[in-house]
Amino acid sequence: GNSVTQMEGPVTLSEEAFLTINCTYTATGYPSLFWYVQYPGEGLQLLLKATKADDKGSNKGFEATYRKETTSFHLEKGSVQVSDSAVYFCALLTGGGNKLTFGTGTQLKVEL
Amino acid sequence: DAMVIQNPRYQVTQFGKPVTLSCSQTLNHNVMYWYQQKSSQAPKLLFHYYDKDFNNEADTPDNFQSRRPNTSFCFLDIRSPGLGDTAMYLCATSRSFEGVPRYTFGSGTRLTVV
Repeated sequence: GNSVTQMEGPVTLSEEAFLTINCTYTATGYPSLFWYVQYPGEGLQLLLKATKADDKGSNKGFEATYRKETTSFHLEKGSVQVSDSAVYFCALLTGGGNKLTFGTGTQLKVEL
Repeated sequence: DAMVIQNPRYQVTQFGKPVTLSCSQTLNHNVMYWYQQKSSQAPKLLFHYYDKDFNNEADTPDNFQSRRPNTSFCFLDIRSPGLGDTAMYLCATSRSFEGVPRYTFGSGTRLTVV
């Protein structure tokens, strides 16, 4: 079956530090890959996506590249801000389907 | 703004007492979903509707039911909540965008069973 594995949190960084949150997946076929962000007390918001190998998704300074050879979709940001503190979920969607499969989420805490 | 609205934001119910969570959308999306998210775990799909077609996940307990009376509304009914049903319940809708379903999530209902 499909699955997503994320690095465990919490990840605690100082403001302006570099962020990497690792995500690997197992799926049949060629999934679309997503990063969602959940701010405290809120629902999930789509952060970025990539639909095929070597695609790079980007938004709000975050980037992730779809690596088929390593089945990975690591999230990166060059300089984090306190406002980036949230829980980040990696997810996949297999072709022809509507159902997202999520990782367990990684909590990011950014301190001044 | 078009959105997905869940009510209530917080719900406390007694063990075994039926509870209903509601979700409404102004997006006119044809697919609606209910996810259960327990503390520090991934959201888990319970069921979804494609228009009026109901699709139950194989491991969703019988205790969980859903109704979708029209395009805009969807309800989650828990017939006899147990302590293990304490969780955040997320409603979502989707539409196809560039060939890929694009989800919109509500803010969730945090259910506590006591």
